[in-house]
Amino acid sequence: EAQVTQNPRYLITVTGKKLTVTCSQNMNHEYMSWYRQDPGLGLRQIYYSMNVEVTDKGDVPEGYKVSRKEKRNFPLILESPSPNQTSLYFCASSPGLQPLYGYTFGSGTRLTVV
Amino acid sequence: DAKTTQPPSMDCAEGRAANLPCNHSTISGNEYVYWYRQIHSQGPQYIIHGLKNNETNEMASLIITEDRKSSTLILPHATLRDTAVYYCIVRYNNAGNMLTFGGGTRLMVKP
Repeated sequence: EAQVTQNPRYLITVTGKKLTVTCSQNMNHEYMSWYRQDPGLGLRQIYYSMNVEVTDKGDVPEGYKVSRKEKRNFPLILESPSPNQTSLYFCASSPGLQPLYGYTFGSGTRLTVV
Repeated sequence: DAKTTQPPSMDCAEGRAANLPCNHSTISGNEYVYWYRQIHSQGPQYIIHGLKNNETNEMASLIITEDRKSSTLILPHATLRDTAVYYCIVRYNNAGNMLTFGGGTRLMVKP
């Protein structure tokens, strides 16, 4: 089944403790991205990657890192999480930058930083 | 990207058609209208998109007015599983990477 898999689904951590949220897709998509969703703010893009070793900042990149060493994986790294990074995170992939309808989203990771 | 305006919430009876409106009065000639939905805390799901002509797929129909300043997403026979937030997005088809979701319409399908 074609899908984007995120892990973990739920995570509670403490301020400052480095964490990684994994994202993997099995569709050979070139494009992958990370979004966070907060009440009243909608979905906001954190980082995106157009191919292996090619990444760029989205709207809200501060406090996050990403890497794209393989086509299928695009982990999101929080080096020193803070409570304002408590959010619902989604990974998405598509065959390329266009067409827009090709986006497939993962099921989400709910992160709480205390 | 053109700004979109959607009602914050709507109700629909199960089995009836759900008609979700979207205003995009500043849309330009090359911008497409896209619809996504998000079922409670799940990842957004693509529904349909169009440029000028009305479109239909297995999930929904999209009706775009002749002046393209508004559109309507139609779920022909709404089910309880269609309860979700529906987002109307206007964007160039080759604009690049980012999806910008506004407030959307929370559709509640009731038995």
